[in-house]
Amino acid sequence: GQNIDQPTEMTATEGAIVQINCTYQTSGFNGLFWYQQHAGEAPTFLSYNVLDGLEEKGRFSSFLSRSKGYSYLLLKELQMKDSASYLCAVSPFSGSYQLTFGKGTKLSVIP
Amino acid sequence: NAGVTQTPKFRVLKTGQSMTLLCAQDMNHEYMYWYRQDPGMGLRLIHYSVGEGTTAKGEVPDGYNVSRLKKQNFLLGLESAAPSQTSVYFCASSSLSGGAEDTQYFGPGTRLTVL
Repeated sequence: GQNIDQPTEMTATEGAIVQINCTYQTSGFNGLFWYQQHAGEAPTFLSYNVLDGLEEKGRFSSFLSRSKGYSYLLLKELQMKDSASYLCAVSPFSGSYQLTFGKGTKLSVIP
Repeated sequence: NAGVTQTPKFRVLKTGQSMTLLCAQDMNHEYMYWYRQDPGMGLRLIHYSVGEGTTAKGEVPDGYNVSRLKKQNFLLGLESAAPSQTSVYFCASSSLSGGAEDTQYFGPGTRLTVL
């Protein structure tokens, strides 16, 4: 089975840095995705980690530790538009086939 | 290039009524998926398809049927709607290259209310 845990809600200040954690216990693991979902909209792709380590993409970075079953999404220089839900998803296969999603973390950015 | 589109965007049904949700993608993706999203539950996979003419059950398939007669279309049917099926339904598609860019692309969602 798959068990994916994320904090339900987080609040951070504009301009600050926030780290959203995701832990997983799965029967099979190949890679981990992060998606962003604004209220009332569809999820959109942020990052994909297969190997251990940090992947940086502009203001967003994602980290993976396969041995610890742990990932985090790091958002720097927070902007009001970053207020959204962030979804962690695990795939037992190469690519995004058969994703299992966490329940998502709702991030509120305040002035 | 429209990506993934869903029809309709909103629908209200009465208990026992039937309806079909249509998903279309123009990216020539092999894989297509139907999810439902409920508050506090996250995205849950209903059914998926790995190619034209094939379908398979996901995590929460009861009360739903699907068909993939054409590669670009994936239909989700509710034969006898129940209030428990009130949800937001998302369709998604992905390629089978297995690479880092092999993400799922989501449609805008269908908001369904069953009274």
